[in-house]
Amino acid sequence: GIQVEQSPPDLILQEGANSTLRCNFSDSVNNLQWFHQNPWGQLINLFYIPSGTKQNGRLSATTVATERYSLLYISSSQTTDSGVYFCAGGTANTGNQFYFGTGTSLTVIP
Amino acid sequence: DAGVIQSPRHEVTEMGQEVTLRCKPISGHNSLFWYRQTMMRGLELLIYFNNNVPIDDSGMPEDRFSAKMPNASFSTLKIQPSEPRDSAVYFCASSHTGLGYTFGSGTRLTVV
Repeated sequence: GIQVEQSPPDLILQEGANSTLRCNFSDSVNNLQWFHQNPWGQLINLFYIPSGTKQNGRLSATTVATERYSLLYISSSQTTDSGVYFCAGGTANTGNQFYFGTGTSLTVIP
Repeated sequence: DAGVIQSPRHEVTEMGQEVTLRCKPISGHNSLFWYRQTMMRGLELLIYFNNNVPIDDSGMPEDRFSAKMPNASFSTLKIQPSEPRDSAVYFCASSHTGLGYTFGSGTRLTVV
């Protein structure tokens, strides 16, 4: 498999602040996805982004596959952004199986 | 698209009882994954299927756990006999080649 390292492990923000979450991979990935686990435990797909940049509202993500990392940007954070953010990736050798990081726990304070 | 459907949402059972968790993947997806999540161990892959065939079951904790996928639209994860340390949230996810995962809502299992 591949190793997935996420940083920071924990983050506390004031509402309205911006943040960047990072995900590093031990190998080049051709599949990469970001998830948000909300306080109710649901795992929500944010972005499927094996390369390039995508944006969805206040969230955007960039993956540089050749450098083995991905970034998730959260702008103008809201309390509803609280939860745990996971990245997961896979290589050509891992088929459809993704390997997950341990997550970044985000708390947004009003 | 109803997404990945898991049942039951919550299960409370006594130690020693058999537990069966169910999952209906998204139609057309060719891979199905069973994960377990606990505070101590995070997200753990238990088993995954490709085109209904088990590909990697190295994450299945022990012989008390078994999983089946009799067809493309249904999978079960069975624990027999259940133990308190099996208490966790069990997630099912499906995907298709070139697409990402979609997770179900999970089954919260409590073994007392």
